[in-house]
Amino acid sequence: DADVTQTPRNRITKTGKRIMLECSQTKGHDRMYWYRQDPGLGLRLIYYSFDVKDINKGEISDGYSVSRQAQAKFSLSLESAIPNQTALYFCATSDFYGNQPQHFGDGTRLSIL
Amino acid sequence: GQQLNQSPQSMFIQEGEDVSMNCTSSSIFNTWLWYKQDPGEGPVLLIALYKAGELTSNGRLTAQFGITRKDSFLNISASIPSDVGIYFCAPLTQGGSEKLVFGKGTKLTVNP
Repeated sequence: DADVTQTPRNRITKTGKRIMLECSQTKGHDRMYWYRQDPGLGLRLIYYSFDVKDINKGEISDGYSVSRQAQAKFSLSLESAIPNQTALYFCATSDFYGNQPQHFGDGTRLSIL
Repeated sequence: GQQLNQSPQSMFIQEGEDVSMNCTSSSIFNTWLWYKQDPGEGPVLLIALYKAGELTSNGRLTAQFGITRKDSFLNISASIPSDVGIYFCAPLTQGGSEKLVFGKGTKLTVNP
């Protein structure tokens, strides 16, 4: 079983719809992250959370919100989806200790028509 | 702000050739990570570098943390078809926030 699980893996929806992407992890890590990947732009950080009561904006948080429901769960919401939010979305986790690598899920491919 | 340059953007090589890619930055980092992403999957950690000047190998992969702490390179020796994918450098920012900064990736194609 994957250590970092993202659901759904693929989603097609329409402009204006509310969408939630979910991430759960079995690694026992405190820190969780949401990234967006667009062709030629690498991965860009949307939001991150260092523990259940901690939420921080990343580089491109506008149009997104997150919820850290438990240590193992971190969800990303698009309140009113727009076509330029079509992208590949990744969840990642890392340990509490400093400078630890992040471990990624397999991504959610989101298409907004 | 931080500027991170990864090059080359893409490489087309023959099986058996060696590959080299690098990342340079205007900022100093404590840690350099190298990830590989296969199509349809998330990035997977290849090598982590924690000290300036450190040279680390993982099979046919070798990476070095530059002594200025502003750069790193990744070499792949004797490439094989399964090396195909996108390679990212990802240094960690300092100061406790420990967010990864990703390069834009090097897309590697290996012709059998």
